[in-house]
Amino acid sequence: QKEVEQNSGPLSVPEGAIASLNCTYSDRVSQSFFWYRQYSGKSPELIMSIYSNGDKEDGRFTAQLNKASQYVSLLIRDSQPSDSATYLCAVNERETAGNMLTFGGGTRLMVKP
Amino acid sequence: ETGVTQSPTHLIKTRGQQVTLRCSSQSGHNTVSWYQQALGQGPQFIFQYYREEENGRGNFPPRFSGLQFPNYSSELNVNALELDDSALYLCASTSRATGELFFGEGSRLTVL
Repeated sequence: QKEVEQNSGPLSVPEGAIASLNCTYSDRVSQSFFWYRQYSGKSPELIMSIYSNGDKEDGRFTAQLNKASQYVSLLIRDSQPSDSATYLCAVNERETAGNMLTFGGGTRLMVKP
Repeated sequence: ETGVTQSPTHLIKTRGQQVTLRCSSQSGHNTVSWYQQALGQGPQFIFQYYREEENGRGNFPPRFSGLQFPNYSSELNVNALELDDSALYLCASTSRATGELFFGEGSRLTVL
């Protein structure tokens, strides 16, 4: 049973701080990793993808991947109240048929003004 | 804007009924997948279609079925609805270049 684990939160940070969201996964064959943001009542929106060990930066977002530790994280710098949402971690076994994602349960982030 | 459109956006059914949800995916994305997201949980993979054939399925019973059409639009059919089928149903198309999934706005199904 493939599993993706996230702390459900809520994670509360003050405006302007760094928010750190973490995710662990159980299946070592996982090849690609994604972070989605989901506002209440809306569908998930892709914000970052990462395929190789190390860091990947895109604006205020940095994804970090450590395949040996089966760990992926998302850092949000200069957090804004508009970043308040649920963040979903997802992993993909590209070696298998199709591109099906296994999602974690999400971490709810609250950024307080 | 993901280019993935779903209909209807909301619907209410009663237990035992059947439902069909529709999805029109982004041009050039020939793989479409469906996910079920119960309240407070992450999306769960139902199945995936590539070139009009199912080529991957999650842990869902046969009463969940689908179709993909030559124009890459897709349907999800659920028979014999149960109360636990109440959820947000998400259609996603896959970028051939990156494998990234882009979701539509979803169809929220309530089963009474």
